[in-house]
Amino acid sequence: QVQLQESGPGLVKPSQTLSLTCTVSGGSISSGSYFYNWIRQPAGKGLEWIGRFYSGGHTMYNPSLDGRVTISVDTSKNQFSLKLSSVTATDTAVYYCVRDRDCWGQGTLVTVSS
Amino acid sequence: EIVLTQSPGTLSLSPGERATLSCRASQSGSGTYVAWFQQKPGQAPRLLVQGVSNRATGIPDRFSGSGSGTDFILTISRLEPEDFAVYYCHQYGRAPLTFGGGTRVEIK
Repeated sequence: QVQLQESGPGLVKPSQTLSLTCTVSGGSISSGSYFYNWIRQPAGKGLEWIGRFYSGGHTMYNPSLDGRVTISVDTSKNQFSLKLSSVTATDTAVYYCVRDRDCWGQGTLVTVSS
Repeated sequence: EIVLTQSPGTLSLSPGERATLSCRASQSGSGTYVAWFQQKPGQAPRLLVQGVSNRATGIPDRFSGSGSGTDFILTISRLEPEDFAVYYCHQYGRAPLTFGGGTRVEIK
């Protein structure tokens, strides 16, 4: 059974870059036809799609994030990563990595604060 | 961007009652690519239904999805105690992918 696990700093300073990694276990990230997504949720609020890559190589981002997002893949480590630049307090949220719609990581809280 | 509007915001019902949750899309581009999630406090969302009406693996048959065009519905036929949670609809047919604001189903 495929499992996803987010990791990365829980605290990021304003204007810096938020960096998270999602480790996929129980299946190869480069096999099959799956979308690997990053989704976030501020405390007490709804879900926001950040972006995704397709296991065939194509990436897509939410334009509401104004070009601050980069998603990359390391197939040798079976991981994919999120970088969100120029963060502000509004980027404080629980960040989830998700395969398609049915396989979610547990989520990791990232707080933007000085 | 397809905006999803869920109603009602909160649904107060008793165990055993039927719950009907609505999700309206601002345009029809989502096609059949509509999903529903359940989320409990401190947990990641759990997929209930995708493709408008296809239950995910292991989801009880008291959960059913329906709809077309811009109007979609999640029905819980008989509420069990573990069903009291927040529910989100989601369209993945057109980028950017979007979610509704959620409906909270609470115990009356």
